[in-house]
Amino acid sequence: DAKTTQPTSMDCAEGRAANLPCNHSTISGNEYVYWYRQIHSQGPQYIIHGLKNNETNEMASLIITEDRKSSTLILPHATLRDTAVYYCIVSPNSGNTGKLIFGQGTTLQVKP
Amino acid sequence: EAQVTQNPRYLITVTGKKLTVTCSQNMNHEYMSWYRQDPGLGLRQIYYSMNVEVTDKGDVPEGYKVSRKEKRNFPLILESPSPNQTSLYFCASSLGRDGIYGYTFGSGTRLTVV
Repeated sequence: DAKTTQPTSMDCAEGRAANLPCNHSTISGNEYVYWYRQIHSQGPQYIIHGLKNNETNEMASLIITEDRKSSTLILPHATLRDTAVYYCIVSPNSGNTGKLIFGQGTTLQVKP
Repeated sequence: EAQVTQNPRYLITVTGKKLTVTCSQNMNHEYMSWYRQDPGLGLRQIYYSMNVEVTDKGDVPEGYKVSRKEKRNFPLILESPSPNQTSLYFCASSLGRDGIYGYTFGSGTRLTVV
């Protein structure tokens, strides 16, 4: 029952920007967009989240469309260590079980 | 360093032999949760805890127990493990259940039940 749609896989050249799209057309007004990544069976790692404004931190940027039905995670200068499965998750900001619904994610392969 | 620590990292056990996977966080987080990850099924929530002495079932609680006697610890107990509980397990914690500050996950416990 994942609420998001992501491409199954993507490639990116090392040093270039990686742009990972996510569709969340049924997102509700109080739901945030979160991005996590999982590097080869390690624990998922929180990257960034946003509600409607674009966000940037030391790891990535998150661009959310004005209608909030889609978003893009941008890794500005991808390295080989960014090879991972990237999960886009929508979640209410309160009143829920705290459960994260992980879909299948996008496998990003960064190539030399 | 702020972290969630799970032990053990790897465990092979036999059917029916009770085991406990420990989870401890040093961030004073109120919310903790257990997930299991299986090929083709993704990560699924087993149990969660909003605070000390407050626990509730997630999507796949059958065969598992948890306890939250202290804020920092949230052990996962398998009273009588079965082969279908062979999986990769992750513990996670967050400041609050809304996860607004993000969830911190442990490194995982790979359990094999034979």
